[in-house]
Amino acid sequence: EADIYQTPRYLVIGTGKKITLECSQTMGHDKMYWYQQDPGMELHLIHYSYGVNSTEKGDLSSESTVSRIRTEHFPLTLESARPSHTSQYLCASSEGDYNEQFFGPGTRLTVL
Amino acid sequence: QKEVEQNSGPLSVPEGAIASLNCTYSDRGSQSFFWYRQYSGKSPELIMFIYSNGDKEDGRFTAQLNKASQYVSLLIRDSQPSDSATYLCAVRGAAGNKLTFGGGTRVLVKP
Repeated sequence: EADIYQTPRYLVIGTGKKITLECSQTMGHDKMYWYQQDPGMELHLIHYSYGVNSTEKGDLSSESTVSRIRTEHFPLTLESARPSHTSQYLCASSEGDYNEQFFGPGTRLTVL
Repeated sequence: QKEVEQNSGPLSVPEGAIASLNCTYSDRGSQSFFWYRQYSGKSPELIMFIYSNGDKEDGRFTAQLNKASQYVSLLIRDSQPSDSATYLCAVRGAAGNKLTFGGGTRVLVKP
């Protein structure tokens, strides 16, 4: 079944640790996105990719980095986690003329 | 002025009534418009999208688009308690494939 997956779903980690949030999709989509959302707040685009070896920063400044080596895989990395990185991170993918985006289940990150 | 604006609510609706949600946007060249439903603690779920002026119906949901007035609305007919959620309006601008999201309208359907 075509879907979009994120792991881990929940992560509690100490300050200064390096973390990678995984996102994979089996929908065959070229375009993928990372959003950050605090509870009850707006979605903010932090990274996007329109294809392999193509990545761009989004509208919200972020200390994270991304890579797109395979079409189906779009991991996000924080080199040194800080409490200000505590948030929900949502991955999405899209295809088609109208760019309907479909979201994964999200990763809830807590940095102590 | 925000690029995509929604009333944050909460919009309280009796069960069985029609919920009406509005969204305005600033980019006159915007191409397509999306409504997402987000339950607390969950990720957004696409309900429907619209790209031409007029109405588009899908089950109990109707999206309405008026490009001249730069607004898009969502009607939920026969509202159910399970419709209680935050509804996000998203707009694809004139350039590129990125979506800009509004802050969402929280809807509460009371039995």
